[in-house]
Amino acid sequence: RKEVEQDPGPFNVPEGATVAFNCTYSNSASQSFFWYRQDCRKEPKLLMSVYSSGNEDGRFTAQLNRASQYISLLIRDSKLSDSATYLCVVLISSGSARQLTFGSGTQLTVLP
Amino acid sequence: GAGVSQSPSNKVTEKGKDVELRCDPISGHTALYWYRQSLGQGLEFLIYFQGNSAPDKSGLPSDRFSAERTGGSVSTLTIQRTQQEDSAVYLCASSSRQGSGYGYTFGSGTRLTVV
Repeated sequence: RKEVEQDPGPFNVPEGATVAFNCTYSNSASQSFFWYRQDCRKEPKLLMSVYSSGNEDGRFTAQLNRASQYISLLIRDSKLSDSATYLCVVLISSGSARQLTFGSGTQLTVLP
Repeated sequence: GAGVSQSPSNKVTEKGKDVELRCDPISGHTALYWYRQSLGQGLEFLIYFQGNSAPDKSGLPSDRFSAERTGGSVSTLTIQRTQQEDSAVYLCASSSRQGSGYGYTFGSGTRLTVV
């Protein structure tokens, strides 16, 4: 079982639609959670952190459920420029080391 | 520099040859990570350097892979006797806070093709 699992998609949605991505993680010791965005043939870039209380940044809302080990990202009023792969990322500690573990990503295409 | 710099941006090599990939992190960032990403796949952790501590090499896929970080700055990832399955994009990231996820800045990667 992968440590971080995502629905690979692809999600093809019209402009203005609301789309939600889900992610589950297997390691209950995971400390921090993030969504990264990766454009085609580009490096990943931090989109937002995910907090237990839920957090919002403009059209983007992230939620974390520690009991279910589940993370979500909601994009409202989607734009063409939102087309990208969205990576669910978990910070896992192992001894003194800490590393980000990435899901395989969910591909989103916003259509005109 | 302003960002994480990786070189070369593209590398084509023959099977069996050795390659060196370079990463120049953001100045002052103490943590440096190497990941690789195969086509259509997620990022696979390779190795992590934090300051002067011993690196976490737990993600290196075989003993053909090694990395060093000189003077706490520039890092070199070396792949010996390259195989076709080594073809991937190798991404380097640096961070100012140990593995926090905040301020993880990735370089644009080295696209390695083994023919």
